[in-house]
Amino acid sequence: GAGVSQTPSNKVTEKGKYVELRCDPISGHTALYWYRQSLGQGPEFLIYFQGTGAADDSGLPNDRFFAVRPEGSVSTLKIQRTERGDSAVYLCASSLNFGDGYTFGSGTRLTVV
Amino acid sequence: GDSVTQMEGPVTLSEEAFLTINCTYTATGYPSLFWYVQYPGEGLQLLLKATKADDKGSNKGFEATYRKETTSFHLEKGSVQVSDSAVYFCALVSNTGNQFYFGTGTSLTVIP
Repeated sequence: GAGVSQTPSNKVTEKGKYVELRCDPISGHTALYWYRQSLGQGPEFLIYFQGTGAADDSGLPNDRFFAVRPEGSVSTLKIQRTERGDSAVYLCASSLNFGDGYTFGSGTRLTVV
Repeated sequence: GDSVTQMEGPVTLSEEAFLTINCTYTATGYPSLFWYVQYPGEGLQLLLKATKADDKGSNKGFEATYRKETTSFHLEKGSVQVSDSAVYFCALVSNTGNQFYFGTGTSLTVIP
């Protein structure tokens, strides 16, 4: 597609529930990134994919968070047993060549109540 | 570790005023430096970048120069417009890493 698409744009869920957030990167971009942006903060790195594999998942806060990219295109960020502290905007970005700068999606605003 | 520190906001300016948003960084190696902008209700957009010392990035009247001696990448614009109202993020990526480090963002409001 023309840009990075993220769905849903908003998600409200109850504490303890499971959620999936989807990212559809720009066609042909092999690198895909997930970031989390809390209110009043800059984005914080979660995980980076090169193709289908997670090249760096050092930013995932704990084992409740997991992400996949099975065919090297669309990625899904999965959060188990959500907590109120997980509330944030989850941003996805993709790039063709690392260091050129990312193209970000508009994000998914997750609210855990 | 790598990090970015940017000027805290919010910043309020009158139209046609001069803008400076300060950004300093800490990094190993030779990072690339970026400014991203987030307009209300929209996603982050790359505004400009510089990949080596003394490079100047520029776009839409904004400029920033990569200063290795002062580890800075301050954003400037000579004459701001109401449409420049947004949150501005300074960011870096090291030449050995694969993730961006963002500052906390500076909110700019330009009033007519």
